[in-house]
Amino acid sequence: AQKVTQAQTEISVVEKEDVTLDCVYETRDTTYYLFWYKQPPSGELVFLIRRNSFDEQNEISGRYSWNFQKSTSSFNFTITASQVVDSAVYFCALSPQGDNFNKFYFGSGTKLNVKP
Amino acid sequence: EAGVTQFPSHSVIEKGQTVTLRCDPISGHDNLYWYRRVMGKEIKFLLHFVKESKQDESGMPNNRFLAERTGGTYSTLKVQPAELEDSGVYFCASSPGLAGEETQYFGPGTRLLVL
Repeated sequence: AQKVTQAQTEISVVEKEDVTLDCVYETRDTTYYLFWYKQPPSGELVFLIRRNSFDEQNEISGRYSWNFQKSTSSFNFTITASQVVDSAVYFCALSPQGDNFNKFYFGSGTKLNVKP
Repeated sequence: EAGVTQFPSHSVIEKGQTVTLRCDPISGHDNLYWYRRVMGKEIKFLLHFVKESKQDESGMPNNRFLAERTGGTYSTLKVQPAELEDSGVYFCASSPGLAGEETQYFGPGTRLLVL
């Protein structure tokens, strides 16, 4: 089965706090991609990062960092020193590279509220 | 470069009516996808076009949904007749279709409410 679980439905933090959004995935495919998207109040899904299953290196981009661990099937996303503009719904997605390799499987999203 | 655009942004219709959603992908993207998010749940795949051909329509809920992509450019998704459970946000995405270019770029979605 292909599945993505984002157990945190909603998180509220105060500006400048660090926050980690969890993503756990299930797949039998050995080759797959993982993604994070941000959905601000305007509604569009904004691409943040793509990771392939063979690259477990963590990545940092400014205040954003991603921790990919195949051993626990997790791809967690941390925002350091959060800002009000980070308030959005964040989606984790899985793209298995098997038969239906163009189909994305999304989690249900985590709504992040950053309060000033 | 323009992103994926969708029209309309919102639609409110009554049960039994017909609604047609439109998606314009990023210019030059051969792959076009439709997804749907029902209230608070995960975003679910509906179907995938490669140019004008349906590559995978395994996610289409039933035969009340009809998707087309004439000429391999824009796509339409028609719901006829609409039912209450069709309410949700319909997202369109596109990707170039090249190896190493698996990222899908999404539009803002169409919010459909069936009353």
